[in-house]
Amino acid sequence: DAGVTQSPTHLIKTRGQQVTLRCSPISGHKSVSWYQQVLGQGPQFIFQYYEKEERGRGNFPDRFSARQFPNYSSELNVNALLLGDSALYLCASSPTGTGTYEQYFGPGTRLTVT
Amino acid sequence: AQKITQTQPGMFVQEKEAVTLDCTYDTSDPSYGLFWYKQPSSGEMIFLIYQGSYDQQNATEGRYSLNFQKARKSANLVISASQLGDSAMYFCAMREFGAGGFKTIFGAGTRLFVKA
Repeated sequence: DAGVTQSPTHLIKTRGQQVTLRCSPISGHKSVSWYQQVLGQGPQFIFQYYEKEERGRGNFPDRFSARQFPNYSSELNVNALLLGDSALYLCASSPTGTGTYEQYFGPGTRLTVT
Repeated sequence: AQKITQTQPGMFVQEKEAVTLDCTYDTSDPSYGLFWYKQPSSGEMIFLIYQGSYDQQNATEGRYSLNFQKARKSANLVISASQLGDSAMYFCAMREFGAGGFKTIFGAGTRLFVKA
């Protein structure tokens, strides 16, 4: 079975631009979470979506938004990019939204903002 | 408030020896889970082991075991018989199930170096 997939693998953007990152969960998983990992730090929670609804949000500005599609894939959008948005963005999928420890991460998208 | 602390930025271990990576946590939720992940230089987070707050026994998965001391709020990872491939970043993480269980917080990580 395929694991969590993310695209693109890498991308470079300029300050002020907008970016969309994509995630496809493991087949049968209905929950997707997004994390931002700045170099040298642990991942920080951005969003969780379950059954196409936002179930949780971390301490990130409104420039960050996400959505989940009927096939449970997800997109993370970041507007008005800042240099500080440069990071590895990780997507994780889970079978359900809560009460489970299972969480499988994708390979990440490395975003560089210049 | 949720908090995970990993006080060892870097650790060295000789190949085939055991190593303990420290993790302390803070939560007021009686129902929570503790995790350890491995992150090689490729960037992917690899799940290693899980311990639930109500689990009576320490979790074990192959060469990994979790030394869970609930009263001290510690969840140290023990890797036995270290291998060169164990060199990576290791993250301790926690999820509070009473708060909806949707958010996992991570510590700052410990970089493990295995010497031949």
